[in-house]
Amino acid sequence: GENVEQHPSTLSVQEGDSAVIKCTYSDSASNYFPWYKQELGKGPQLIIDIRSNVGEKKDQRIAVTLNKTAKHFSLHITETQPEDSAVYFCAASTVGNAGNMLTFGGGTRLMVKP
Amino acid sequence: DTEVTQTPKHLVMGMTNKKSLKCEQHMGHRAMYWYKQKAKKPPELMFVYSYEKLSINESVPSRFSPECPNSSLLNLHLHALQPEDSALYLCASSQDLGEGNQPQHFGDGTRLSIL
Repeated sequence: GENVEQHPSTLSVQEGDSAVIKCTYSDSASNYFPWYKQELGKGPQLIIDIRSNVGEKKDQRIAVTLNKTAKHFSLHITETQPEDSAVYFCAASTVGNAGNMLTFGGGTRLMVKP
Repeated sequence: DTEVTQTPKHLVMGMTNKKSLKCEQHMGHRAMYWYKQKAKKPPELMFVYSYEKLSINESVPSRFSPECPNSSLLNLHLHALQPEDSALYLCASSQDLGEGNQPQHFGDGTRLSIL
């Protein structure tokens, strides 16, 4: 089955700096890669996603890049703000008998220091 | 605010109690999911319903019993739980299980504590 590795597990940056979180996946058939942000006491919130026919996608301060050959994808947050502090999960979607299921990475705790 | 609503937000129960977790969505989604999340870990899939029929059971113990009364509602019935079942239980929904890679939208979960 699919395996998703996520690094780093914790990341501390100064407000205004950029943050990068990286994920690798094992199943070359995976074709959908969402990123979730989970704040304390909340459920995961979808912040951006990318499909395998696209190499990069941007939404304001957030961007995701995908390298299908190397089987890795990354989340880039620019001009970080304290409210970006949260746990971020990457995921890969693998088509199975019952449709698309998500395999999550282990998570990255991002701390933005004011 | 999330478009997937879960109740209650917190639940404390003894090992002999019977309780239910509820999830509701009004996005017209036809696939609904239950996940279990332990502290500092990613969500783990438990059950998937597609068009109100159980599609996936990830070898979950029978003390957890899911139910999908209609396309908007998903319940998780709990009975004779163990202390290790204490966790955040998340509900999610997506448009369907087709090959179009439908995003999953999560509720804020029920924080369950077993005494």
